[in-house]
Amino acid sequence: AQSVTQLGSHVSVSEGALVLLRCNYSSSVPPYLFWYVQYPNQGLQLLLKYTTGATLVKGINGFEAEFKKSETSFHLTKPSAHMSDAAEYFCAVSNQAGTALIFGKGTTLSVSS
Amino acid sequence: DVKVTQSSRYLVKRTGEKVFLECVQDMDHENMFWYRQDPGLGLRLIYFSYDVKMKEKGDIPEGYSVSREKKERFSLILESASTNQTSMYLCASRPSRGRGYEQYFGPGTRLTVT
Repeated sequence: AQSVTQLGSHVSVSEGALVLLRCNYSSSVPPYLFWYVQYPNQGLQLLLKYTTGATLVKGINGFEAEFKKSETSFHLTKPSAHMSDAAEYFCAVSNQAGTALIFGKGTTLSVSS
Repeated sequence: DVKVTQSSRYLVKRTGEKVFLECVQDMDHENMFWYRQDPGLGLRLIYFSYDVKMKEKGDIPEGYSVSREKKERFSLILESASTNQTSMYLCASRPSRGRGYEQYFGPGTRLTVT
């Protein structure tokens, strides 16, 4: 069965600091992994995804994530936080049947000036 | 550009009312989903549909039903709304089966049941 664990329900950083949001997955098949962002009172928007190929994936708004099979991780990073990055972030893995995504519980990112 | 729209952004209903939440997508996607989102619990799948008139229960189907009469439209029905169904409801769509596809989300409906 597939599952996702996001470490830390709340992460706070200063503007300009490194953003690191952690995601670990469990999958009985090669994983397809996704990061989504949700701004207040909006739906989820895809940031990036890993399917196959290059393990370092670049997304929108300067975010990137690295797939590490040995660590079963897919952590999201951004070198320099901006106030506009304050949002909730969800990591997800595709289920084995390919019918749906399984989401983590989310991490709220706060950015202070 | 994929667009998933939901009929209402905010909705207030009374306990016992029948509530319809509508979702429409414009990209001919086969799969559609309904989630509810609550603080600390993340997204929980209520129902999904992979074709017209087809539906499958998700993790928390109790108290909900769905209808998919046309490919582009997926409705969530609360037969008799209760206060514990106060939540944010998110609709999503996705092209067919296949593990590499992302899901596209609507803006959400914040439902309050009083």
